Amino acid sequence: GAGVSQSPSNKVTEKGKDVELRCDPISGHTALYWYRQSLGQGLEFLIYFQGNSAPDKSGLPSDRFSAERTGGSVSTLTIQRTQQEDSAVYLCASSLDLAKNIQYFGAGTRLSVL
Amino acid sequence: GEDVEQSLFLSVREGDSSVINCTYTDSSSTYLYWYKQEPGAGLQLLTYIFSNMDMKQDQRLTVLLNKKDKHLSLRIADTQTGDSAIYFCAEDGNNRLAFGKGNQVVVIP
Repeated sequence: GAGVSQSPSNKVTEKGKDVELRCDPISGHTALYWYRQSLGQGLEFLIYFQGNSAPDKSGLPSDRFSAERTGGSVSTLTIQRTQQEDSAVYLCASSLDLAKNIQYFGAGTRLSVL
Repeated sequence: GEDVEQSLFLSVREGDSSVINCTYTDSSSTYLYWYKQEPGAGLQLLTYIFSNMDMKQDQRLTVLLNKKDKHLSLRIADTQTGDSAIYFCAEDGNNRLAFGKGNQVVVIP
């Protein structure tokens, strides 16, 4: 596609529910990244993929967070048993590869946990 | 570790120049970046500079990099109302970007 596409753009959920956020990177980009933006924490790195592989999961805030990428393209970030502190904007970015690390961002998914 | 610092707020008159500053800590960064974020929008990549350069000019944007002091700046010439946004600097390393807290620029017509 022309740019990084994220869906949904907004998600309101109840505490304790699971949510799935989707990211479709720029066509041909092999590296994909998830970040979280919240008022208190600024922009935090969560996880990156090279192809379908995520070598470093240490940025995920808790074991309720998981991410996968299939076919070297679309990625989903899943948050289980959501908590109010998970409320944030979740941003996805992609780059050509890890070496050429110029990252282009999507518009984000605004998650509100009630 | 990575730690990027920015000042918080800048008010500028339309047509004047704006300068936003940033300090970073990771001297092994390959690139340093400036992103722009308008209300309710994602991060727009404005420009980036390779770490072995000290200046890059791109139309109204000038980036200066002082590696010795780990200082990065963005100058916007002829600032326009559409430049009102939050500007983030970022450094790369360890396959991720580390961002500053952002600098809000308000352009007064």
